[in-house]
Amino acid sequence: DAGVTQTPRHEVAEKGQTIILKCEPVSGHNDLFWYRQTKIQGLELLSYFRSKSLMEDGGAFKDRFKAEMLNSSFSTLKIQPTEPKDSAVYLCASSLSGTAISNERLFFGHGTKLSVL
Amino acid sequence: GDSVTQKQGQVTLSEDDFLFINCTYSTTTYPTLFWYVQYPGQGPQLLLKVTTANNKGISRGFEATYDKGTTSFHLQKASVQESDSAVYFCALVVGGRALIFGTGTTVSVSP
Repeated sequence: DAGVTQTPRHEVAEKGQTIILKCEPVSGHNDLFWYRQTKIQGLELLSYFRSKSLMEDGGAFKDRFKAEMLNSSFSTLKIQPTEPKDSAVYLCASSLSGTAISNERLFFGHGTKLSVL
Repeated sequence: GDSVTQKQGQVTLSEDDFLFINCTYSTTTYPTLFWYVQYPGQGPQLLLKVTTANNKGISRGFEATYDKGTTSFHLQKASVQESDSAVYFCALVVGGRALIFGTGTTVSVSP
């Protein structure tokens, strides 16, 4: 079973650079989520897509963070421009869903660890 | 808005100790509550689900109980093993929205 695949596993960027993180959800899953993980804040929602439509956008992340679903099996998260405070683990998750209230069992990827210098 | 709070950032135990992690939540509607576990180098994975209907969930020796009166739910295990060392997140979902996670509790179990 192919789980959620995230690339790259590690990314190092200079302040001001543009970086793109990639995610392939579990085949057949309708919902896709991007979360940011830090020790202080835990998991914070960046974006939530259902069947490629944007359902939720994390309010604090709108200005420099943009997630897209190019098709049902591929998503990107662009950070532009990067800042040192963006250093964190970025997690992508998917779920089967299909109904309005079943965003329950999320399958997470291993994450991309981003370091901004 | 809807939120969950985990105040315990770190719990250190020895094998066979009792584990108890508490989480409180705030919402104006009826939530479904979860515990996720994250092992080193991996993404979080679902451990338990607790609905307001059954008040309790059990999986892999872990038990989660929900208390509507205090808007809290906790995770417990009678006897932890070193392999239970991980980060534990409580989470809630309301309606068709994305899961809202707590900040996580790091559990370290020494042999």
